[in-house]
Amino acid sequence: EVQLVESGGGLVQPGGSRRLSCAASGFTFSNYAMYWVRQAPGKGLEFVSAISSEGNSTFYGNSVTGRFTISRDNSKNTLNLQMGSLIPEDTALYYCARAYCNDTGCNQGDTWGQGTLVTVSS
Amino acid sequence: DVVMTQSPLSLPVTLGQPASISCRSNQSLAYSDGNTYLNWFQQRPGQPPRRLIYNVSNRDSGVPDRFSGSGSGTDFTLKISRVEAEDVGVYYCMQGTHWPYCFGQGTKLEIK
Repeated sequence: EVQLVESGGGLVQPGGSRRLSCAASGFTFSNYAMYWVRQAPGKGLEFVSAISSEGNSTFYGNSVTGRFTISRDNSKNTLNLQMGSLIPEDTALYYCARAYCNDTGCNQGDTWGQGTLVTVSS
Repeated sequence: DVVMTQSPLSLPVTLGQPASISCRSNQSLAYSDGNTYLNWFQQRPGQPPRRLIYNVSNRDSGVPDRFSGSGSGTDFTLKISRVEAEDVGVYYCMQGTHWPYCFGQGTKLEIK
């Protein structure tokens, strides 16, 4: 069964850091680009970051550039998001999702995890 | 950056009746590889998003055929031919052509 399981959420003080992880199973992780998408309570969906299948290309949303770092370990089938300089506006449910690209195009977001909640508050 | 605009934002529908959601982008979503990366997601309360349609008009496996997607360039539509009770939730369009990728604001479908 294809599965993505996020972990690492919790309560963080403003200015603090947190590391999220996403464990992948049931598919060849190294063949897939990966995304982090977040959803603030009662709000819509926002792309946070993306990483290529090999990890050599990374992308960040405007609101997190310079504060968050995406990475992956293909040997451990794990995606990570290192979050720093956290602000209350970063409070959200953080989802990981996958995307497959080949010579004919890309297939984006067919599988999502259940999310992990990050709360930034003093 | 690309901006995705959905309408309506609230959609009350009678069971068995059709429903339609519009999604417009401020830039063409046609990509250089010949594809247009416009996807539709459904999010039921307390659940992660579930993809319904990818690359404008391709229905995902297990998605009822009452859901269909169409459009090109900057103008896209999700249609539900006959709304059922299980279709209640929020629907999002998402562009994956230009980084940063982004979603529309969401359309909340409810039963009238």
